[in-house]
Amino acid sequence: GESVGLHLPTLSVQEGDNSIINCAYSNSASDYFIWYKQESGKGPQFIIDIRSNMDKRQGQRVTVLLNKTVKHLSLQIAATQPGDSAVYFCAENRASGGSYIPTFGRGTSLIVHP
Amino acid sequence: DAGVIQSPRHEVTEMGQEVTLRCKPISGHNSLFWYRQTMMRGLELLIYFNNNVPIDDSGMPEDRFSAKMPNASFSTLKIQPSEPRDSAVYFCASSPNDRATNEKLFFGSGTQLSVL
Repeated sequence: GESVGLHLPTLSVQEGDNSIINCAYSNSASDYFIWYKQESGKGPQFIIDIRSNMDKRQGQRVTVLLNKTVKHLSLQIAATQPGDSAVYFCAENRASGGSYIPTFGRGTSLIVHP
Repeated sequence: DAGVIQSPRHEVTEMGQEVTLRCKPISGHNSLFWYRQTMMRGLELLIYFNNNVPIDDSGMPEDRFSAKMPNASFSTLKIQPSEPRDSAVYFCASSPNDRATNEKLFFGSGTQLSVL
């Protein structure tokens, strides 16, 4: 079946380093992808998104890369800070009947050491 | 805007009891989603509504689960009877559902459900 998965369940980095979180997807019909950040005790929050007609999008300290050939998505966080410690989810949105159906990956826990 | 509001924040109940989770989406959002989060299965989509109409409930695990959206500002997820394996964090999320803008979801803070 279709699935979204992550390569690494836990990523530990030192403060100031760059972080890269990876995500694999299998549904070639997906045309929209989002990264969410979930802090402890809270719901997921939007970080950045990318459409399938793009291969890179940059935000503030974050960059998302999309490789449609190998169905791979990555989130890069520059100069990682302790406040970046959280679980990060990629989600693929498939258009269906005028709505988007978001399907989430399992998540990667990012731990930032001061 | 207060964001998506869920209640209760925590719910502890005994097996066999009825549980009702509540959600108030962001005003003006057309789509509402109910997710369940567990360590084993991650974030699972249970059901989503578009303009108050259930569109896809294929994620609802059993007949014990039901969801309603009587109006644009309120939705409930009910479990009757509840079982220990229903213990999880249940999230409600809403979305503007506008293809011309970002289709990001806005999540509530969740309801932590423990069924003893």
